[in-house]
Amino acid sequence: QVQLVESGGGVVQPGRSLRLSCAASGFTFSSYGMHWVRQPPGKGLEWVAVVSYDGSNQNYAGSVKGRFTISRDNSKNTLYLQMNSLRGEDTAVYYCAKGRVYGDAKPDAFDIWGQGTMVTVSS
Amino acid sequence: EIVLTQSPGTLSLSPGERATLSCRASQSVSSYLAWYQQKPGQAPRLLIYDASNRATGIPARFSGSGSGTDFTLTISSLEPEDFAVYYCQQRSNWPLTFGPGTKVDIK
Repeated sequence: QVQLVESGGGVVQPGRSLRLSCAASGFTFSSYGMHWVRQPPGKGLEWVAVVSYDGSNQNYAGSVKGRFTISRDNSKNTLYLQMNSLRGEDTAVYYCAKGRVYGDAKPDAFDIWGQGTMVTVSS
Repeated sequence: EIVLTQSPGTLSLSPGERATLSCRASQSVSSYLAWYQQKPGQAPRLLIYDASNRATGIPARFSGSGSGTDFTLTISSLEPEDFAVYYCQQRSNWPLTFGPGTKVDIK
């Protein structure tokens, strides 16, 4: 069935790095833009980044630009988020989400979500 | 950045009642607004896209309306599984933004 499964979360010290992965199945992964959305504990949703179907274009929220990098490997049906220079305010559940319509890195709604992976930034 | 405001913050209703949730944008988003439902410990689920289109598998009791800056999500008759938090999201401009959510709880 259609599924997204995130992994790679954990506890990390401020200033360190972490890489999240999201394995896709049940749909043509290489046809859609893919996003990361995060949710701090007990709070609302924040869009983080998008990558186009072929990995050639990306866009980022201002809060992560220059620190986070979104990428994908279509041969492995996998989405990534490389997070550098982590801060306490990056603590959140990170969801990967499929863009509903577009293959390009265009504004979109999210029709498939993973279950999320928790990232805690703390010393 | 487009700011989305949702009201009320919490809506206390009984099963069978009608729920009306509001989302207001700080500038026009045309019809590029979506609604999501999130239950505790779960990922959000897409309910409505482009203001009034139900996503695949969403029951007909959920409906969306509005354009420009004012939008409404209506649940015609609440089922027990509908008690959750609801978020709106705009896809008119970067960055994509969400509202703070409306919690629908059992009265």
